[in-house]
Amino acid sequence: DAMVIQNPRYQVTQFGKPVTLSCSQTLNHNVMYWYQQKSSQAPKLLFHYYDKDFNNEADTPDNFQSRRPNTSFCFLDIRSPGLGDAAMYLCATSRDRNYEQYFGPGTRLTVT
Amino acid sequence: RKEVEQDPGPFNVPEGATVAFNCTYSNSASQSFFWYRQDCRKEPKLLMSVYSSGNEDGRFTAQLNRASQYISLLIRDSKLSDSATYLCVVNDPKLVFGAGTILRVKS
Repeated sequence: DAMVIQNPRYQVTQFGKPVTLSCSQTLNHNVMYWYQQKSSQAPKLLFHYYDKDFNNEADTPDNFQSRRPNTSFCFLDIRSPGLGDAAMYLCATSRDRNYEQYFGPGTRLTVT
Repeated sequence: RKEVEQDPGPFNVPEGATVAFNCTYSNSASQSFFWYRQDCRKEPKLLMSVYSSGNEDGRFTAQLNRASQYISLLIRDSKLSDSATYLCVVNDPKLVFGAGTILRVKS
């Protein structure tokens, strides 16, 4: 059974058109993360939620926002996607900070 | 110095070979260490947590060397299915991913 689910798996959006990616988990983990990964690069942490507390990375552009309405769900909103935002977006969860993280299958975003 | 560094490879090895990767980290206070495996266009999957005493899981052995600030992953009897990118992850204090080492196992 899938433990971290991401929808959609593939998303095509137009330059500047807002897009929302979703993540859900059945692990009841406290922490949920969003990463951006481009080809041949390490996953780059955008932000994470520890329970309801939002933690933004210093270099995450304002264009990226997140919501966590409850323990199970977390959303990534890209307000005005640029061509440089085309990437794989990975959601991960962990029981607590610095514990092992479990990843969803990712959403591959294409910006046209 | 990068927080977590890995040799990008690729390591090209024949089936049955033993191969080892190292990963160096910069924060001497780091406490959490992991190896992940990532297949092309897929998500990272946890391979092993690395404990201070070292740990083994079948053909895979992970070790931690705090004095020299590196962790290692040893794969014995390589299989074609081991071909992937291996990501080292260290807390600094948040978990930081290395860029990965590419392994190609060939018949």
